[in-house]
Amino acid sequence: GNSVTQMEGPVTLSEEAFLTINCTYTATGYPSLFWYVQYPGEGLQLLLKATKADDKGSNKGFEATYRKETTSFHLEKGSVQVSDSAVYFCALTRGAGNKLTFGGGTRVLVKP
Amino acid sequence: DGGITQSPKYLFRKEGQNVTLSCEQNLNHDAMYWYRQDPGQGLRLIYYSQIVNDFQKGDIAEGYSVSREKKESFPLTVTSAQKNPTAFYLCASSIAEFANTGELFFGEGSRLTVL
Repeated sequence: GNSVTQMEGPVTLSEEAFLTINCTYTATGYPSLFWYVQYPGEGLQLLLKATKADDKGSNKGFEATYRKETTSFHLEKGSVQVSDSAVYFCALTRGAGNKLTFGGGTRVLVKP
Repeated sequence: DGGITQSPKYLFRKEGQNVTLSCEQNLNHDAMYWYRQDPGQGLRLIYYSQIVNDFQKGDIAEGYSVSREKKESFPLTVTSAQKNPTAFYLCASSIAEFANTGELFFGEGSRLTVL
């Protein structure tokens, strides 16, 4: 079946540091890949997506590239802010059924 | 404003009691979902519904029940058969065919604690 593996957190950074969160997946065929973000006390919201190999998703300074050869979709941001403190979830969908498979989430804490 | 409303935000229950969590959406979405979130385990799908009067079990449906009598509403009942019900529950909705957009719209969640 489909699965998503993320690096375990928490990840603690200083403001303006570079952030990378690793995500790898297992799925048959060509899944669509997503990053969701959950700010404290809120539900999840879509951050970015990529639907085919070599696509790059980007939003709010975050980027992730769909790497079919390494089955990865790592999230990066060049200069984080305190407001980026949140839990980040990598996810995929494959085939019919409208179901997303989520990774375990990575908590990021950015200190001033 | 359009969105998803979950209630209550916090709920305490004694062992052996059933409890129902409410989820209402005014986004005119056909599909609705219930996820359970536990620390370090991410989100796991409990039930989902793609159309009124129809729903399917997700990965961890045992001990839960749902109904979808109206497009706007998808309540979740946590029954006494659920062995470990203390968790954070998230409701979501989407357009019917979301494989390309991948966008689920989430409520703010309901935290259930069993005493």
